[in-house]
Amino acid sequence: EVQLVESGGGLVQPGGSLTLSCAASGFSFSSYWMHWVRQVPGKGLVWVSRIKSDGSTTNYADAVKGRFTISRDNAKNTVYLEMNSLRVEDTAVYYCVRRSAVAGTGDHWGQGTLVTVSS
Amino acid sequence: DIQMTQSPSSLSASVGDRVTITCRASESISNYLSWYQQEPGKAPKLLIYDASSVQSGVPSRFSGSGSGTDFTLTINGLQPEDFGTYYCQQSYSISWTFGQGTKVEVK
Repeated sequence: EVQLVESGGGLVQPGGSLTLSCAASGFSFSSYWMHWVRQVPGKGLVWVSRIKSDGSTTNYADAVKGRFTISRDNAKNTVYLEMNSLRVEDTAVYYCVRRSAVAGTGDHWGQGTLVTVSS
Repeated sequence: DIQMTQSPSSLSASVGDRVTITCRASESISNYLSWYQQEPGKAPKLLIYDASSVQSGVPSRFSGSGSGTDFTLTINGLQPEDFGTYYCQQSYSISWTFGQGTKVEVK
């Protein structure tokens, strides 16, 4: 069974940093692109970042470019999102998403981890 | 970025009803369109990918159609477990974008 388990969320002050982790199991992690998508509670879904299966390619939404870094450790079956210079508007539930092998979309999502940026 | 616009924003329906939700892209996305269902407090669940392919394990009452800029999700015979918010999503571009959501409620 495919499982994605996020961790690392919490309360942080504006300007602070946080690193999210997503532990994957039940599939060949090193063969899949992985994405992060966020959702302000009660609002819609917003794509944040993606990383290629071997880690060689990364992309970011304009809103987080230069502040967030996505990375992965295929030996540990884990993808990370390092978030720096956090802003109040980064407050959201962050989901780790596996990109389907047969389509360009997300076929499995983690349960999400809440990041709250507030003073 | 490609903008995705869903309609309606919300609807009320009864068990057994046929429900249709539409999604329009700001430019052609071929068939790179997915539909998700999200229940309160849970992660989105993939229902339809490539506009009309039903994800494994998803009931056959769910179907999708369309290509280019206009797409439709249909639920034939709404069930109690189908209530929630539905999102369309394009994967044509590097940065996925989602519709604003359609909340399906009990009439």
